[in-house]
Amino acid sequence: KQEVTQIPAALSVPEGENLVLNCSFTDSAIYNLQWFRQDPGKGLTSLLLIQSSQREQTSGRLNASLDKSSGRSTLYIAASQPGDSATYLCAVSSPGGYSTLTFGKGTMLLVSP
Amino acid sequence: NAGVTQTPKFQVLKTGQSMTLQCAQDMNHNSMYWYRQDPGMGLRLIYYSASEGTTDKGEVPNGYNVSRLNKREFSLRLESAAPSQTSVYFCASSRERGTYEQYFGPGTRLTVT
Repeated sequence: KQEVTQIPAALSVPEGENLVLNCSFTDSAIYNLQWFRQDPGKGLTSLLLIQSSQREQTSGRLNASLDKSSGRSTLYIAASQPGDSATYLCAVSSPGGYSTLTFGKGTMLLVSP
Repeated sequence: NAGVTQTPKFQVLKTGQSMTLQCAQDMNHNSMYWYRQDPGMGLRLIYYSASEGTTDKGEVPNGYNVSRLNKREFSLRLESAAPSQTSVYFCASSRERGTYEQYFGPGTRLTVT
């Protein structure tokens, strides 16, 4: 059974810092990995999708990498801003089972002005 | 283009009452999903519909039923609500199951007293 772990569970940084969020998964046989953002009391917004054949994806100040063989992904946020404060969720889609997303529990990020 | 919509946004039920959560997508997606999100547990799959006319159980289906009414709509029914079903419920859709990006609705906050 696929399991997804996110470290750290919470992170507090001052504005302007570059930061890295980590995600690991136990079964390297995946279709893709998706990073989401969730604001308090809101739904999930998809940030980046990395297919299993890709190594990284970039969107603005966000860069996500994937190392399938080691079961790891990182989300890099450059020049953090208070508006980046949210919970970031990592999810992997794997064959077998339900062939849909298995989620980590998230990293709660607070960026202080 | 509304994406994935859910109704209602909030609901309070008494134990034993029934209700149906509605979900609709306008992206012509084949696959739809219902998840629940609980503190400390992350998002867990309740049911999914790989295509119109099919539905299958996910990780936590007990106490729920679903209907794929047509390609656009996928409803979740609680026949006899229990306090353990207090949660935030998210509907999602994707072009197909497995390799495609999932898009989420805004969620329904359900409290069962």
